[in-house]
Amino acid sequence: NAGVTQTPKFQVLKTGQSMTLQCAQDMNHNSMYWYRQDPGMGLRLIYYSASEGTTDKGEVPNGYNVSRLNKREFSLRLESAAPSQTSVYFCASSEEVAGVDEQFFGPGTRLTVL
Amino acid sequence: SQKIEQNSEALNIQEGKTATLTCNYTNYSPAYLQWYRQDPGRGPVFLLLIRENEKEKRKERLKVTFDTTLKQSLFHITASQPADSATYLCAPVSGSARQLTFGSGTQLTVLP
Repeated sequence: NAGVTQTPKFQVLKTGQSMTLQCAQDMNHNSMYWYRQDPGMGLRLIYYSASEGTTDKGEVPNGYNVSRLNKREFSLRLESAAPSQTSVYFCASSEEVAGVDEQFFGPGTRLTVL
Repeated sequence: SQKIEQNSEALNIQEGKTATLTCNYTNYSPAYLQWYRQDPGRGPVFLLLIRENEKEKRKERLKVTFDTTLKQSLFHITASQPADSATYLCAPVSGSARQLTFGSGTQLTVLP
């Protein structure tokens, strides 16, 4: 039982390049999330998916797109990377039980945009 | 706008003492509040949840309180150990959304 996995662990891009961050969970959770974490800013929600086939914007969606490929996988795409997107990206998943969503996080992807 | 404030400074305490971390929120009416622990280079890990109708919740050496009048949650670690050193994040959740909004965290260091 791997929980939430993310690839790659590290990535360096040049401004304008594109890339996709991959996330998968094996807990059969309906909800999945993408966050970014910057020093002093805490975790900020980029996009989330409440169930397979649905996605919604979070607090900071500009410059990103997402795909909920199936129940297990939720990818985050940067079409044209900018230095402001240098951050640590976390994927998470959850399943509502008794009105509560405890989120399970992946190990993160450290992205640097030059 | 909604705002979450945690201890702005890092917190250093001596081993064996009780650590108390503060989470204040404004423009929120959270149905419950979650606390997470984050170690360097890793994702957050869920610790405890407390609902608006609960004053206090305990789990082993951890205790969380929730005062909806003060709009504050306190997170206590009793008999602290160096292994408790980490960043602790609070996340109030409003009844209208399941999305979590995190505070920026408090970095706790327990000195041996």
